[in-house]
Amino acid sequence: AQSVTQPDIHITVSEGASLELRCNYSYGATPYLFWYVQSPGQGLQLLLKYFSGDTLVQGIKGFEAEFKRSQSSFNLRKPSVHWSDAAEYFCAVGGYNTDKLIFGTGTRLQVFP
Amino acid sequence: EAGVAQSPRYKIIEKRQSVAFWCNPISGHATLYWYQQILGQGPKLLIQFQNNGVVDDSQLPKDRFSAERLKGVDSTLKIQPAKLEDSAVYLCASSLAGATEAFFGQGTRLTVV
Repeated sequence: AQSVTQPDIHITVSEGASLELRCNYSYGATPYLFWYVQSPGQGLQLLLKYFSGDTLVQGIKGFEAEFKRSQSSFNLRKPSVHWSDAAEYFCAVGGYNTDKLIFGTGTRLQVFP
Repeated sequence: EAGVAQSPRYKIIEKRQSVAFWCNPISGHATLYWYQQILGQGPKLLIQFQNNGVVDDSQLPKDRFSAERLKGVDSTLKIQPAKLEDSAVYLCASSLAGATEAFFGQGTRLTVV
């Protein structure tokens, strides 16, 4: 079955600390992988995506993610978190571009000053 | 560039009543999606349109949900009759045909009491 698992429901970090949000997927074909961010009361904004090629992808707001096929993972990282990064983060997998995206349950990030 | 517009932002109805949501996608975007996001879960695709044709409605509860996209632009999603478990945020998204990024609206938060 196709699925996305985000094992961490809630993460708290101090401002300036590094961040890693975990994402594992199960997909029968070549996956297209995405990370979205959702601020309270807002829609989802695309942070980055992986389709093929270099397994380390750079996104907006200083985020990056690494695709590891052997581990079926696509973890999101940021070297230094800012208070404005507090939001909910969703990992998603699809089969072709943006079609039929399957989302994880999300990780809520809280940032302390 | 104007984003995806949705209305209303909030709606409270009693169970067994009907409700309709409206979405205006980004101009020129041929693909339109409706997602349901239940509290604590990731968004789940309900229906995908390509212009005014349905591409995927496999997860749409067709006994109570309906959607249309007349003239391949605006779309409405209707629930009739509503159940308590329909309480959720309904997100509309759009993308260029075959694009690698979908743009999301702010959503309509539905509460069924």
